[in-house]
Parts: sequence; C-alpha cells; structure tokens
Amino acid sequence: GAGVSQSPSNKVTEKGKDVELRCDPISGHTALYWYRQSLGQGLEFLIYFQGNSAPDKSGLPSDRFSAERTGGSVSTLTIQRTQQEDSAVYLCASSGRDGRSNTGELFFGEGSRLTVL
Amino acid sequence: AQSVSQHNHHVILSEAASLELGCNYSYGGTVNLFWYVQYPGQHLQLLLKYFSGDPLVKGIKGFEAEFIKSKFSFNLRKPSVQWSDTAEYFCAVMYSSASKIIFGSGTRLSIRP
Repeated sequence: GAGVSQSPSNKVTEKGKDVELRCDPISGHTALYWYRQSLGQGLEFLIYFQGNSAPDKSGLPSDRFSAERTGGSVSTLTIQRTQQEDSAVYLCASSGRDGRSNTGELFFGEGSRLTVL
Repeated sequence: AQSVSQHNHHVILSEAASLELGCNYSYGGTVNLFWYVQYPGQHLQLLLKYFSGDPLVKGIKGFEAEFIKSKFSFNLRKPSVQWSDTAEYFCAVMYSSASKIIFGSGTRLSIRP
C-alpha cells in the first residue's frame, strides 16, 4: 500500500489475555519502529528493526512484550498477559534508506489503540 | 543516556503571535534531527528535518528550525501562527551510532482564534 498500515485500529481486551498488533510498512522500507503513546505522554520507543533483525530491543517494557518481523516486511508486536498499564496507542513507523544509511525520516501508521479492562 | 527534552508541555497563543518551541538533546555524536506534528485526530507527520548543511531548515506551513550544535538544541519557530496550527509537536533525534530514534515528550500548542 501507499502508507503504513496497522491493525487492529482498536482493541479492547481483558486483563491477562494476549494481544497481537500488526504493522505493514511502506513497501521497500527496510527500517521499522514501534512506539507506545500513552495519554499525555510522548512517544516511548519500544523496538527497532533493520530488515528482519532487531538491533535495539531496549525499549520493550518487560518480557511480556515481544516483536518479530518476517520477510523484511510485516511486523507483529505481541503483548502477553496484558495489564491495565499496557493501555495505550501503539504506533508503527517505517523508514527508507539513502544509500547505505537509514534516513531516519519516519512514516507513521494510524496506530492501534489498546484498552485493557 | 540518549534523551530528548521538550520543556514546554502546553503553549497557548493568539493568532498571529510568534512561536518558538524548545528542543534539547543529549550529546551522542552525529545526529539527524526532526520535528513531527500530530493534528487532532490525525497521525504523526514530518514537519521538517535536519541532516547536515545549513543549520536553519525550513519545513511545511511556514515552520523553520535552527540547529545550534554548541547548545544541543533544535528549536522550532514560526513568525505568525494560525488557528490551524493547533496540534501536538514532537522533536525527535536519530543518533547515527544507533539508528534508534528518540522522541521528546511533545508540546501541545493551542491557538486562540
């Protein structure tokens, strides 16, 4: 597609359930980022992929959070045993390359709003 | 640790007033700098960027930003704001050593018509 696509756009779940959030980046973009945006907060970095590998997982809040990317394209963020504090908007962004370097210019999806009851 | 600070959490201005939003980042070598904007109900979009060269960069909608290396700052400016500039503004930094892109906490801008 023309832009970054995220699904679901809204997800309401019960505490303790697992959720999967999907991101389909812009075709050809090698870098993919996940962020979390909580009410009144900025964007919290979660994880970054270059191709299928994740050089930086430092932002994942706990071992309940994991992410993978396959085929250098679609990425899935999984939250196990969700807690109420996981409620937030999860944003995905992708970025292309200029020569050998990642430009860092991010194209964002609309986000997935997660509500944990 | 690499970090980005936006000291203004909420700015309220009247139309035609001048705007300056502060952004400071921690030292970490070579950086690429960005300002993103999120209009109400919309997704984040790029306002302007600095990679190298002229430290005064111009973006969309009359915005500009100045990179001052000695101050680790990248402040956003607009000479005369409009009601349609009401939005949340985020400063972001990509440290070339890491390719991780870190965002500031954002500044909410409200414009009184």
